[in-house]
Amino acid sequence: NAGVTQTPKFRILKIGQSMTLQCTQDMNHNYMYWYRQDPGMGLKLIYYSVGAGITDKGEVPNGYNVSRSTTEDFPLRLELAAPSQTSVYFCATQGSPDSPLHFGNGTRLTVT
Amino acid sequence: RKEVEQDPGPFNVPEGATVAFNCTYSNSASQSFFWYRQDCRKEPKLLMSVYSSGNEDGRFTAQLNRASQYISLLIRDSKLSDSATYLCAVKGNTPLVFGKGTRLSVIA
Repeated sequence: NAGVTQTPKFRILKIGQSMTLQCTQDMNHNYMYWYRQDPGMGLKLIYYSVGAGITDKGEVPNGYNVSRSTTEDFPLRLELAAPSQTSVYFCATQGSPDSPLHFGNGTRLTVT
Repeated sequence: RKEVEQDPGPFNVPEGATVAFNCTYSNSASQSFFWYRQDCRKEPKLLMSVYSSGNEDGRFTAQLNRASQYISLLIRDSKLSDSATYLCAVKGNTPLVFGKGTRLSVIA
């Protein structure tokens, strides 16, 4: 079992470019999350999904979009990259609302 | 008051020492509590869940104090390999909220 797989591991974007961060899981978990983590800061929730076809905004959704067409995949889209989006992005899954999260390895994004 | 707060540290302790971290939360309706460990440039990994009666896993003990709204993590006989950032996570009516983490350095 791969668990939670994120791609790419690293990416450098120019301001204004767009990209999609991929997250796929083989744990059959309904709940999926996207967090960003800036140096010295905690994890901030961007978007989350409680099941296929359902998504909701977290604490810092501006500048991002998500979709959840299948249980396995939860891609995060950046449409117009800005330097403020330089961060490490973690995808996570959860089997039930009160169970712990399982994280992917992260995507390290730099926008210059 | 922030939803989840932790002392950022760093805590610098010698090998073999006992160290304790606290994490306070503001939502009295919170139901689930966890401690995660995060190594430098890695993803957070679950260290242990925190149960109402307290729980222990080897050298690690987690406790919950609902009256004062905090959870704690005690590490006994610290090892060099315990050096990491420890994140607490709390779930109330919203998805899991993480503290900023407490950095621990265990020194030989």
